[in-house]
Amino acid sequence: DTGVSQDPRHKITKRGQNVTFRCDPISEHNRLYWYRQTLGQGPEFLTYFQNEAQLEKSRLLSDRFSAERPKGSFSTLEIQRTEQGDSAMYLCASSLAGSEQYFGPGTRLTVT
Amino acid sequence: AQSVTQLDSQVPVFEEAPVELRCNYSSSVSVYLFWYVQYPNQGLQLLLKYLSGSTLVESINGFEAEFNKSQTSFHLRKPSVHISDTAEYFCAVTVYSSASKIIFGSGTRLSIRP
Repeated sequence: DTGVSQDPRHKITKRGQNVTFRCDPISEHNRLYWYRQTLGQGPEFLTYFQNEAQLEKSRLLSDRFSAERPKGSFSTLEIQRTEQGDSAMYLCASSLAGSEQYFGPGTRLTVT
Repeated sequence: AQSVTQLDSQVPVFEEAPVELRCNYSSSVSVYLFWYVQYPNQGLQLLLKYLSGSTLVESINGFEAEFNKSQTSFHLRKPSVHISDTAEYFCAVTVYSSASKIIFGSGTRLSIRP
């Protein structure tokens, strides 16, 4: 068990470009969560999956954001037409239903 | 809806001094309570949690937190801090019935002076 992994760890992009992040959860975990953390703030919930099903989405998740977990294993988070306000650390976590969430190292996005 | 308030954004203390990081929460339903720690350039780690039972919970590295339902608080304490405790600490809650999304406070930066 290597824990939750995220790729890439850092991403610099120009405003208006699309970006995609990947999260690989702990293998037996059926729940996968995405959070966003901006400088000086705590993480904010974006969305979560149980297996393939996306069960909840925050109102923070605008139409430019889309998340998928097609086979109930890894997940991707795509941001279209990035804006400077999207600059943040994007955190992924996984868990068994009702149990402790384990966090990955995060992907730091910088939009220039 | 649930919310978490961490009353201090930064807490500077001298090594070996005691420390208390304050946390208050608001919720109309029962919640689980957590403290997470984020060391410099590392990911979030669970420090301790309150689910039920004894209102005093402890971590393996000497921190403790006490759940106070009447005051809706979950303050974190350590009697003697070490340089290695330098980190950002986040108080958090999740709804008991669903145990899904976590609501985090804004964090308290603990800096230890030698």
